[in-house]
Amino acid sequence: GAVVSQHPSRVICKSGTSVKIECRSLDFQATTMFWYRQFPKQSLMLMATSNEGSKATYEQGVEKDKFLINHASLTLSTLTVTSAHPEDSSFYICSARTSSGLSNQPQHFGDGTRLSIL
Amino acid sequence: GQQVMQIPQYQHVQEGEDFTTYCNSSTTLSNIQWYKQRPGGHPVFLIQLVKSGEVKKQKRLTFQFGEAKKNSSLHITATQTTDVGTYFCAGPGGTASKLTFGTGTRLQVTL
Repeated sequence: GAVVSQHPSRVICKSGTSVKIECRSLDFQATTMFWYRQFPKQSLMLMATSNEGSKATYEQGVEKDKFLINHASLTLSTLTVTSAHPEDSSFYICSARTSSGLSNQPQHFGDGTRLSIL
Repeated sequence: GQQVMQIPQYQHVQEGEDFTTYCNSSTTLSNIQWYKQRPGGHPVFLIQLVKSGEVKKQKRLTFQFGEAKKNSSLHITATQTTDVGTYFCAGPGGTASKLTFGTGTRLQVTL
């Protein structure tokens, strides 16, 4: 149980393109999902907390207009990187919790999306 | 803001040797979680510790939560090549829902 599916797994595109990444909880409902960014050999950096039916909460320094998050249902959150540039190239990972979203519950991660902007 | 540091950043051991990673938080934690990320993969939840001084074991892995609930450790006995990966600790990050991940310890095991 507690499977999170993330799609696509890899994207290579030209500078200026917008890229949408989907995160789905397959066998549970997730009122809260999280979007992380990870650079090579570094830790996970939380970008934003995605809340079903309301606006996402962004971490300090993360541009809301650059990284659009939509959490329209209890099983789907999307991250759109708008007008992507080479500096946006990274590994993006989503996660979800199975319960009420409190931090004492484990997070279940998607497989991640490796984004390369040429 | 809250900081969660891990040492060492990287360790290379021979198969069969023991390994320990240490996690230190700048703030007291209500709980601490450990995750493992294999190369090219995503983090996978290993365990959660809640009580001060708690010790939990999973086969060759031993997890400990400090008495002050600001530090934790993961010890692997007799490492195997399947233990290769990066180990992250994570604690509540200031709000009720999010986690702050530690800096991670990358473990390399060779025969």
